[in-house]
Amino acid sequence: GAVVSQHPSRVICKSGTSVKIECRSLDFQATTMFWYRQFPKQSLMLMATSNEGSKATYEQGVEKDKFLINHASLTLSTLTVTSAHPEDSSFYICSARKRIHPGAGLSNTGELFFGEGSRLTVL
Amino acid sequence: AQSVTQLGSHVSVSEGALVLLRCNYSSSVPPYLFWYVQYPNQGLQLLLKYTSAATLVKGINGFEAEFKKSETSFHLTKPSAHMSDAAEYFCAVTGSFQKLVFGTGTRLLVSP
Repeated sequence: GAVVSQHPSRVICKSGTSVKIECRSLDFQATTMFWYRQFPKQSLMLMATSNEGSKATYEQGVEKDKFLINHASLTLSTLTVTSAHPEDSSFYICSARKRIHPGAGLSNTGELFFGEGSRLTVL
Repeated sequence: AQSVTQLGSHVSVSEGALVLLRCNYSSSVPPYLFWYVQYPNQGLQLLLKYTSAATLVKGINGFEAEFKKSETSFHLTKPSAHMSDAAEYFCAVTGSFQKLVFGTGTRLLVSP
């Protein structure tokens, strides 16, 4: 299988503090990871695309200085919410795409594998 | 650019009844389409995907979806609903396996 793990699953912090969320691909290498934000009873909104070894690409309207993304290795991407405020409270979900290997053929169709999500509550 | 529209934010069915969740897409390139399920406070689990092979796609838990280009649709169905099917379902589209664009979701309610 392809497992993506997020940590922590839940975090409560005080306003003004920074929070780091980790996204790990446990049994595959991920060249690309995506970070989504989901508001209550709403769809997932793509925040940024993270490629290993390069700067993340942020979607329009997402503050890159507010949401720091680091993709340090082929199995780990981190999202840091800096100086968190109550309006940053949300459900953050990461997804990862398997590294495409030559000759993978139909075994790799670009499927994304999602983490379990991290619920951030800022008091 | 791609987009998906999910008709109906809530769908209610009785246990054992047919499940039909609607998804229409818009894409400037041949699309790849996905259905995901989300249980409360959890991430997304892939139900099935269309990647330009067979137009009728079978997924997990008895779900299937049919890609209809003429109708730009990719509706999700299941012949007989189970209580455990109650969840939020998201349709998603991508043209290049780069960015997934999600619909607004449909909450499936299953009554005994």
